[in-house]
Amino acid sequence: KAGVTQTPRYLIKTRGQQVTLSCSPISGHRSVSWYQQTPGQGLQFLFEYFSETQRNKGNFPGRFSGRQFSNSRSEMNVSTLELGDSALYLCASSLAGKNYGYTFGSGTRLTVV
Amino acid sequence: GDSVTQMEGPVTLSEEAFLTINCTYTATGYPSLFWYVQYPGEGLQLLLKATKADDKGSNKGFEATYRKETTSFHLEKGSVQVSDSAVYFCALSGGGTSYGKLTFGQGTILTVHP
Repeated sequence: KAGVTQTPRYLIKTRGQQVTLSCSPISGHRSVSWYQQTPGQGLQFLFEYFSETQRNKGNFPGRFSGRQFSNSRSEMNVSTLELGDSALYLCASSLAGKNYGYTFGSGTRLTVV
Repeated sequence: GDSVTQMEGPVTLSEEAFLTINCTYTATGYPSLFWYVQYPGEGLQLLLKATKADDKGSNKGFEATYRKETTSFHLEKGSVQVSDSAVYFCALSGGGTSYGKLTFGQGTILTVHP
């Protein structure tokens, strides 16, 4: 059974640009969450989607956005990149119950220069 | 809001030593609790979970018991191996407006020497 797939694995962007990251959840999982991991702030929740609807959102500026498609695949977009956006972005999928746990992908390492 | 506090790290042990990583939490309602492990350059792997009070999660020799009275979920292993060297995260998933969200502790770096 395939795991959570995130693409690309590595990305280098310039300040001011925008970026789109992709996440394919485990087959049958309808909930997809996104997290930002940095050495200083640790793991921070960005947002969660279920059946194409955003159900929950963390405390990030509006430059961070996401969406989910009918096949449960999800994308997140960051516009007007800042140096501080350099981080590992992790996607997790779940059967959509808190008791099931969340399966994470390997992440996308974004570097903003 | 929800929060998770892990013991200060890093933790350095010799192979076959006993491991404890403390984790306490604050949450409303009845959260589910998790331990995740992260190896260098990788994402997070679910190590074990517990969904209600007094549940014991276990996997690969690791154990943790959901203690509602002390709001704790300490991770233990009787005999660590070099291959256990990684970063360990305690996390909770609450209900209500927290639905779909994991709240993580700051992580504990474990290094095991031969």
